[in-house]
Amino acid sequence: GEDVEQSLFLSVREGDSSVINCTYTDSSSTYLYWYKQEPGAGLQLLTYIFSNMDMKQDQRLTVLLNKKDKHLSLRIADTQTGDSAIYFCAERRNQAGTALIFGKGTTLSVSS
Amino acid sequence: GAVVSQHPSWVICKSGTSVKIECRSLDFQATTMFWYRQFPKQSLMLMATSNEGSKATYEQGVEKDKFLINHASLTLSTLTVTSAHPEDSSFYICSGLGAETQYFGPGTRLLVL
Repeated sequence: GEDVEQSLFLSVREGDSSVINCTYTDSSSTYLYWYKQEPGAGLQLLTYIFSNMDMKQDQRLTVLLNKKDKHLSLRIADTQTGDSAIYFCAERRNQAGTALIFGKGTTLSVSS
Repeated sequence: GAVVSQHPSWVICKSGTSVKIECRSLDFQATTMFWYRQFPKQSLMLMATSNEGSKATYEQGVEKDKFLINHASLTLSTLTVTSAHPEDSSFYICSGLGAETQYFGPGTRLLVL
């Protein structure tokens, strides 16, 4: 399909791991991103992965990329209440200077 | 990391007036900037791509005469919503294109009464 797909909601308990999944559209996309948006705020870049990588880890965040299935995931270890936000997956298609294509966002709710 | 600012962060205006939103890249030069619009609980929808010194490229369905974009320098792009109407009320977010990613501004919330 033409849309970047994400599940809409995820609810976890504090201290658990969260896994947010995304299916992107273009197998030749060069970069894939995860952004975080807190209520009423702009987008904060969390991490990104280049298409020739399978995995990237950055502190509590682990990104896995399956190019064959065009599947991207974000794992947040030891999830905290401050992680509650909307998480957007985005792809940068293989065209110079092109804008990012965003998914609809996954709302992560962390309960204590 | 690179920082993008937007001004104002909040604006309320009367129907029929025009509103200008500024987007600045503070510590990097952004040859390309993007303007997005976000409705409540929805994703970002690209409105236009703005290149310094040239005309903006608008996405299908976005009226270029209504949403005027000027990218006069490598650190400033402006979006002017002309003759605003209540249906233009939204959250407008800009971004500047860096080496490997886009850096987003904090957004401007527009409410047209």
